[in-house]
Amino acid sequence: RKEVEQDPGPFNVPEGATVAFNCTYSNSASQSFFWYRQDCRKEPKLLMSVYSSGNEDGRFTAQLNRASQYISLLIRDSKLSDSATYLCVVNRRPGNTPLVFGKGTRLSVIA
Amino acid sequence: DAGITQSPRYKITETGRQVTLMCHQTWSHSYMFWYRQDLGHGLRLIYYSAAADITDKGEVPDGYVVSRSKTENFPLTLESATRSQTSVYFCASTWGRSYNSPLHFGNGTRLTVT
Repeated sequence: RKEVEQDPGPFNVPEGATVAFNCTYSNSASQSFFWYRQDCRKEPKLLMSVYSSGNEDGRFTAQLNRASQYISLLIRDSKLSDSATYLCVVNRRPGNTPLVFGKGTRLSVIA
Repeated sequence: DAGITQSPRYKITETGRQVTLMCHQTWSHSYMFWYRQDLGHGLRLIYYSAAADITDKGEVPDGYVVSRSKTENFPLTLESATRSQTSVYFCASTWGRSYNSPLHFGNGTRLTVT
């Protein structure tokens, strides 16, 4: 199993739709989870951290399922400006170790 | 808010040449990282550093050298560039107290090796 796996997409959705991405990780002891957003030819930017109890930031909701080792990102009421690649990020091993990035899921929101 | 800056933004070099990519941050962050991003591979960690004079290898360190004599600078050197090192290189740092705190990225260097 790869360390971090994501469906590459693309996900093509109409404006206003709800879309969900999942990401699976291999190390059951991983502790740090994030979603990043990357626009075409730009640097990745932190979208949100993912907490054990789940968390929400406006139209974005992140969930963690430790039993099944996946995290999810839900985007409600999609906007054209949400079109980007979404990267799942996990720490590789417990303790003070660098983060590992998934290859990303591409989202296109269509008018 | 100068943040983290990379230079050059674009670089074309020939196989066998030595190339240095610069990374400078103004936040005095302890932790700094170099990633490369390629189609089909995503972001892969090259080297990372916890502080001045402390560096460690990441997933793909072969062919690269780093140094960190000052907290704010973390240059990446390709000792003898190869075509397989054509990529987008991102430097990052974190305001957190550990390697697995959220990262803040520079805007990247696009390197082409001919």
